[in-house]
Amino acid sequence: GAGVSQTPSNKVTEKGKYVELRCDPISGHTALYWYRQSLGQGPEFLIYFQGTGAADDSGLPNDRFFAVRPEGSVSTLKIQRTERGDSAVYLCASSLMGSPLHFGNGTRLTVT
Amino acid sequence: DAKTTQPNSMESNEEEPVHLPCNHSTISGTDYIHWYRQLPSQGPEYVIHGLTSNVNNRMASLAIAEDRKSSTLILHRATLRDAAVYYCILSPYSGGGADGLTFGKGTHLIIQP
Repeated sequence: GAGVSQTPSNKVTEKGKYVELRCDPISGHTALYWYRQSLGQGPEFLIYFQGTGAADDSGLPNDRFFAVRPEGSVSTLKIQRTERGDSAVYLCASSLMGSPLHFGNGTRLTVT
Repeated sequence: DAKTTQPNSMESNEEEPVHLPCNHSTISGTDYIHWYRQLPSQGPEYVIHGLTSNVNNRMASLAIAEDRKSSTLILHRATLRDAAVYYCILSPYSGGGADGLTFGKGTHLIIQP
């Protein structure tokens, strides 16, 4: 069956611009997670949704980062006023409660 | 959060067994031990998880020490496709749960043909 889909796979933007990254989870998965991965590091937790609500957003680095999941399925990670330090691979995962996480292949964001 | 310690890298030969160690001396009694792996240019992939007893599945085996302060992921016959970064993660949840999972740097497994 279809896995977690993330679009775009690559995004290049200029410093100061706004970007949106999309995640299509596995159908029926109630939990959705966003992670960020810098080169040579493990994935770093950003935010967790259970249904439509953000159950834990403690990993968002600052108020330039925001994520939504309005209908409990697709999620969008939004980054305002991008900075070069935001360059990373942004990973999305989904799961049923109590089950392993299924990850997408990520969006590689490059801020020039 | 309880932390894990893994070697930065390991090397093995194709078609031989691989034993990937993980130390977690501060594990709590309710923490599950999860293993994920990340192939190049892909997102992490679930491998196996366990609580107290050894576990087997089609991908690997998980051997958990009796005091639960360490565990070993066993790939019975490594192939070139097993070359990846392997993460050992502790979580109070059997699945993702709140906060998801906290990844460290993992072990970079290199497989020689």
